[in-house]
Amino acid sequence: DIQMTQSPSTLSAYVGDRVTITCRASQSISSFLAWYQQKPGKAPKLLIYKASSLESGVPSRFSGSGSGTEFTLSISSLQPDDFATYYCQQYKNYLYTFGQGTKLEIK
Amino acid sequence: EVQLVESGGGLVQPDRSLRLSCVVSGFIFEDVAMHWVRQAPGKGLEWVSGISWNSGNIVYADSVKGRFTISRDNAKNSLYLQMNSLRADDTAFYYCAKGIFGMLTPFDYWGQGTLVTVSS
Repeated sequence: DIQMTQSPSTLSAYVGDRVTITCRASQSISSFLAWYQQKPGKAPKLLIYKASSLESGVPSRFSGSGSGTEFTLSISSLQPDDFATYYCQQYKNYLYTFGQGTKLEIK
Repeated sequence: EVQLVESGGGLVQPDRSLRLSCVVSGFIFEDVAMHWVRQAPGKGLEWVSGISWNSGNIVYADSVKGRFTISRDNAKNSLYLQMNSLRADDTAFYYCAKGIFGMLTPFDYWGQGTLVTVSS
């Protein structure tokens, strides 16, 4: 099974900061990686797919990079609406594993 | 507008069964793979099961294999999850989610979720 590990688990930042979340796969998943944002009481929202492709309608301050086993999600200038929990997901195989999540909090 | 609406959740005793439904609109249902993803209260996301456009490819997480059955009715724009032999650790919000296209694609639209509580 492919394990996905995110770091950090919690991240505190100010509005306007640039932040980066890391996701590591236990084996190579090429670029079959997606990032989701979830707010309390809401369904997840797709932000990034194929490691670096921005989903339609997602602000350009979000960006993704990486391939193989190491990936990052960056937010260039945090907005109040960005404080949420972020999940990575591999779709290289049929187990569609999610990372454990990174909670982004306002400092 | 794309919409996915789950129903069928509720309180159920251990070892009993429950059937979830997801009715969709706003896209061509028969063209895409569909999935169920769950989230225990306060926990992370766990993929549960997926089904291809024509039901020819069906996959399950090990945690539900042999107990849960996914199905779809393309004529009714509906996705289902039959859950048998329910356990306390199946307690979660269950989301239906649309694959962008085929099976090995991420999930671009999600329902609002339906809560399943397994307790005596």
